[in-house]
Amino acid sequence: NAGVTQTPKFRVLKTGQSMTLLCAQDMNHEYMYWYRQDPGMGLRLIHYSVGEGTTAKGEVPDGYNVSRLKKQNFLLGLESAAPSQTSVYFCASSPPRTEGDYEQYFGPGTRLTVT
Amino acid sequence: RKEVEQDPGPFNVPEGATVAFNCTYSNSASQSFFWYRQDCRKEPKLLMSVYSSGNEDGRFTAQLNRASQYISLLIRDSKLSDSATYLCVVSGAGGTSYGKLTFGQGTILTVHP
Repeated sequence: NAGVTQTPKFRVLKTGQSMTLLCAQDMNHEYMYWYRQDPGMGLRLIHYSVGEGTTAKGEVPDGYNVSRLKKQNFLLGLESAAPSQTSVYFCASSPPRTEGDYEQYFGPGTRLTVT
Repeated sequence: RKEVEQDPGPFNVPEGATVAFNCTYSNSASQSFFWYRQDCRKEPKLLMSVYSSGNEDGRFTAQLNRASQYISLLIRDSKLSDSATYLCVVSGAGGTSYGKLTFGQGTILTVHP
C-alpha cells in the first residue's frame, strides 16, 4: 500500500507557465482534497472531490482547476502560474464520513516555486 | 477572526517537561476536532481525535470545551522525538461538510536535551 502519492515532489515554474500536479491514492477513498500550505497560514483548502467525476471549490480556489476522472486520481492544474502560488501543495484522501471520523491521509507534498 | 487560532509558539522545553497547547475555534456548529502532527518538511499526520469527555493516548491528553470553543493538548514527559509542529484541526458542520477540515496555523514545539 503506497497510500497517497504526489507527483512531482519539486518544481520551479516561470510566471505564466502551466503545470499539473498529480495525486494518486490506493485506499479506495471516495473523498480527495488539495491544500496549500504557506508560512504562518496553516493549510488552506483549494478544491475537493467527493467522488469520481465531481469537484467543488474550497477556501482558496482562484487560479486553480481540478479534475477527478478516475476515483484514485485527483489532478490540480495551474493554467498561468503566478509568484503568489509559490507554496507547498498537499493532497489528501479520506473514506466517506463515518460517525465522528474524519481522518485524512496526506501525500508527501509538492514544493512549487514560481519565479 | 481566523476560524481556528493557535499560539504559534515556538515552545522550547527540556526533555521530561510537560507542555500544553491551546486552540480556539469560531464556528460553534463544528462537529469534530483533532490534533495533527507535522514534522519538518513532511506531511501532517493524525495524532489524536478530541472528544468532549477528554481522551488520553499514552503521554498525550486532549480536551474539548464546546461551551468555550476551546481545545487543548497536553504532552507529559516530553521526548526529543516530540519536536514537531502541532496542528489544531476542526471539521465542518453539517452533512454537507464532506469531511472538510479547517487547520490552525500550528504550534512549533522543540524539545531539547
